[in-house]
Amino acid sequence: DGGITQSPKYLFRKEGQNVTLSCEQNLNHDAMYWYRQDPGQGLRLIYYSQIVNDFQKGDIAEGYSVSREKKESFPLTVTSAQKNPTAFYLCASSLPNGDTQYFGPGTRLTVL
Amino acid sequence: GESVGLHLPTLSVQEGDNSIINCAYSNSASDYFIWYKQESGKGPQFIIDIRSNMDKRQGQRVTVLLNKTVKHLSLQIAATQPGDSAVYFCAENIADSSYKLIFGSGTRLLVRP
Repeated sequence: DGGITQSPKYLFRKEGQNVTLSCEQNLNHDAMYWYRQDPGQGLRLIYYSQIVNDFQKGDIAEGYSVSREKKESFPLTVTSAQKNPTAFYLCASSLPNGDTQYFGPGTRLTVL
Repeated sequence: GESVGLHLPTLSVQEGDNSIINCAYSNSASDYFIWYKQESGKGPQFIIDIRSNMDKRQGQRVTVLLNKTVKHLSLQIAATQPGDSAVYFCAENIADSSYKLIFGSGTRLLVRP
């Protein structure tokens, strides 16, 4: 069963803590992406990776970090430097031509 | 239309009627467009796409129209069903090497039984 998985579905964090969100895909896609979505808003790009061991900042990268050590995995770390981390985080992947992106189910992060 | 804070533009339709959701895109260099459907608490789901060398594309119960002159995209849903209730996003891809999609702010579709 191919697709994109994100874990956990819900995540709670205390202020000042770093937390890592998981994203795995078995679609053999080269490109992967992380987006943030706030209530009633569209998607904003945090980071993207076109190939293993390479990634670029998106529009709102401050306070976040990523790694791309394997083709199928693109974890996102929300650091304590992110001032307002409570949001819905979405991971996506695509073929390298930049066309259709396929999304995972999302992780809802709440900072207590 | 554009969303303002928590207030997404909302389209309310009667079950069985046709729905038309509109999107104004930003860049005349965009060459690929996608419509996504997002149900509450879930990730966006691909519906249909269209390239800039086309002005119309049809899927199952859905049609996308592209007007490059006025940079306008629309999604038509025929015989709207309760399961169509969701937020719909358009996205554009600019013909450069960035591989990035630019998403619109979304329209909420409510289907009245």
